Amino acid sequence: DAGVIQSPRHEVTEMGQEVTLRCKPISGHDYLFWYRQTMMRGLELLIYFNNNVPIDDSGMPEDRFSAKMPNASFSTLKIQPSEPRDSAVYFCASSLAPTSGNTIYFGEGSWLTVV
Amino acid sequence: DAKTTQPPSMDCAEGRAANLPCNHSTISGNEYVYWYRQIHSQGPQYIIHGLKNNETNEMASLIITEDRKSSTLILPHATLRDTAVYYCIVRVANNNNDMRFGAGTRLTVKP
Repeated sequence: DAGVIQSPRHEVTEMGQEVTLRCKPISGHDYLFWYRQTMMRGLELLIYFNNNVPIDDSGMPEDRFSAKMPNASFSTLKIQPSEPRDSAVYFCASSLAPTSGNTIYFGEGSWLTVV
Repeated sequence: DAKTTQPPSMDCAEGRAANLPCNHSTISGNEYVYWYRQIHSQGPQYIIHGLKNNETNEMASLIITEDRKSSTLILPHATLRDTAVYYCIVRVANNNNDMRFGAGTRLTVKP
């Protein structure tokens, strides 16, 4: 299995620009998660989906952030407009249905720098 | 959810066992103990998890005390590639949004 695939791996953008991060979960996984990691706040859960439906978006920082999952194999996290404080590593992760044996598998992250 | 307490950093000599402690004194009966690690510039990687029995896999062993208030992750023969931040997480098995990461322990394996 190829694992969770994220793109781009690195992005540098100017303040005010729109940023779109992409994720392809592991095939067959029906849960998808977006996390953000910064030095100050560590690893934070932003939103997660079950069967393409957003279940909990309480971690999304503000309206500038939006996430979609149009099908089982693709999700996007969009920031519009971007701000320097959005600079972070954004991780996508996926898992099977939550039972005692299932764990969350992470992608390699998208490193975002907003200048 | 139960919170976890881990030492901020530890060192270990290459080839020796690395024993990483975690306190979770308020853990509930239906909460599992999970361990993940994050090597620099990579996404977190699952290591092992358990409920009350000790567990072992190809990566590590997990020792959970009888009262479940603490656990130890054991890397039996640490290598330089095991240098990473190790996260101990307690989580209800059927609640996906409870995978909360703390600060973890930064393990440095030295030659």
